[in-house]
Amino acid sequence: QSALTQPASVSGSPGQSITISCTGTSSDVGGYNYVSWYQQHPGKAPKLMIYDVSKRPSGVSNRFSGSKSGNTASLTISGLQAEDEADYYCSSYTSSSTWVFGGGTKLTVL
Amino acid sequence: EVQLVESGGGLVQPGGSLRLSCAASGFTFSSYWMNWVRQAPGKGLEWVANIKQDGSEKYYVDSVKGRFTISRDNAKNSLYLQMNTLRAEDTAVYYCARGGIARPFDYWGQGTLVTVSS
Repeated sequence: QSALTQPASVSGSPGQSITISCTGTSSDVGGYNYVSWYQQHPGKAPKLMIYDVSKRPSGVSNRFSGSKSGNTASLTISGLQAEDEADYYCSSYTSSSTWVFGGGTKLTVL
Repeated sequence: EVQLVESGGGLVQPGGSLRLSCAASGFTFSSYWMNWVRQAPGKGLEWVANIKQDGSEKYYVDSVKGRFTISRDNAKNSLYLQMNTLRAEDTAVYYCARGGIARPFDYWGQGTLVTVSS
């Protein structure tokens, strides 16, 4: 049950696009289309942004998109806005019927 | 409106026990898998455990197996986490989250802080 691998930090200027990667194994990310992404602002509970690799819950901006290739999933945020500055976590269902999170990525909007 | 409200956190000595509760409202609690997810201070999220709608299936992260027990009372719309033999590394904010096998965590509570220290 090792954590998924995410970059510790990414940054971008308003209006730009950024991509956050999430690397796992064939027992989690690569084996299932059950990757989700969560946004967490300081002191707040996480919020679901993407599920089933690329689906957006109602109310989430279409600036957020997800994809997957092999054992690596990605979250792309286009048209960066100041309010996107937060921590982002990926998560995947696993072959052990459990869930695993990534270590988290701090997004800084310059 | 879906609401999840955790309670029961606090300061406990190493080796001690604590029982967390999560009160659910705004949805049919008995129709959903439920989870506990924790976050140590300044650290990332860690999935802890989940439980099937009728309580017949339960899964745990390796680090809590044999020490933590997840349970639910559908009549009371409540989720529980019994934590025994607590260690310093169990110190975290514990979140209750709705979600299940292959379903994302779509609603989260505000969390309850558990501190294990002498």
